[in-house]
Formats: sequence, structure tokens, C-alpha cells
Amino acid sequence: EPEVTQTPSHQVTQMGQEVILRCVPISNHLYFYWYRQILGQKVEFLVSFYNNEISEKSEIFDDQFSVERPDGSNFTLKIRSTKLEDSAMYFCATTRTGPNTEAFFGQGTRLTVV
Amino acid sequence: GESVGLHLPTLSVQEGDNSIINCAYSNSASDYFIWYKQESGKGPQFIIDIRSNMDKRQGQRVTVLLNKTVKHLSLQIAATQPGDSAVYFCADLGGNEKLTFGTGTRLTIIP
Repeated sequence: EPEVTQTPSHQVTQMGQEVILRCVPISNHLYFYWYRQILGQKVEFLVSFYNNEISEKSEIFDDQFSVERPDGSNFTLKIRSTKLEDSAMYFCATTRTGPNTEAFFGQGTRLTVV
Repeated sequence: GESVGLHLPTLSVQEGDNSIINCAYSNSASDYFIWYKQESGKGPQFIIDIRSNMDKRQGQRVTVLLNKTVKHLSLQIAATQPGDSAVYFCADLGGNEKLTFGTGTRLTIIP
């Protein structure tokens, strides 16, 4: 079964440092998303990405966040200057034809900001 | 604002019994609903979806019911197994591109 792959599985970083979380989407999927889940809380939408540009973002996704697909395969989420409250599980998800179809989620990256 | 929520945070069911997990939504524009299963340390796993033009959809051992009148969604799992123990989230898509997740129900299957 095709799957979304995320690396690293766990990232520990100091407050103020930049982090890049990586995702390899399913090969024929066209829509990409980042979600986050703070420990014990619900999954929250961050951003959607289609045709090499952001199509929608939430209020969480401020200027400290950015996404790109630099080489046509990896889909990355960058946090420029991490804060303690950025500690969470970050999930990449992809859909083949649009948001109203089955979204496949990766296993997540656990980001710990110390 | 709009939200998707769940009635119960935890549910324990005897192995072999059926379970029902409920969800309420408030966005009347929601037209696509999904149930996800999340096991500890893993990402959400798609279980079943339903569109607003349907009332019921069945999968393997799972059934989703949608009542648009009262904005209620439920997930029925038949003949529960130990592997069904997980947190279950409902999510909806309401005219935009983001899935809005509920807070989740932790289902525990008692052997």
C-alpha cells in the first residue's frame, strides 16, 4: 500500500533555531498538507499546497512557517525560529485529486523545542 | 466559530460487541465527513468517509451514519477486536481545503 513518509521521526531543537521537516508524498498525489497535533489535543490544519503554491493556510501558519517542494519530490515545512509552543507532532498528508478525497497521513515528526 | 466535536472522550467495549462513536458538527456547509483512527505514536488512518448526499455508508465492519438534520455523525464498529483500540476522530470539510478534526474518542476493547 502506498504511504506518506516523513523524516525525521523525532527532532529536538533549541528555542530560536530553525527546523525543516520533510515529507515524501505518494507519487501520484497532487495535494499536500501539513497538520500538527499538540500532545493530547486534536489534529489542527496548518497549510495546504497545490501546484507549487499555498492554497490555504490557518492562523497558526504565521510568518515563521513556510512550505516548499524544492526538488519535485520532497515537501518540506520550515519553522524559522522555533518557540516552545511549537512542540507537537507534525503530520504530512496528501490527497490524489483534492481535499474531498481520502487523505493519507504520514507517521509524523515529533518536534520537541527546549 | 465552526467546530467538530465528540460527545464522549472515552469508550470501553467488550471484545466481540459492537461500538458506536458519536460526533456532532456545527458547520452547515460541511459536505464531506471522514472518520480516522489513530493508534499511539502513529498518524491518523482513514477508516471511512461519507458525503452529504448520503445518510449511510458501509465498509468492512464499519458503518458511518450521517444525520444532517441534527448535524450528527456516528461510526459503528461491528464485532470489535483488540486491534480496534485507538483514538477515533471525526473530521469534516466545509467548503474549503482544510479538514477540521474533533477532539477524539478513545476506544478501549476489553478482552
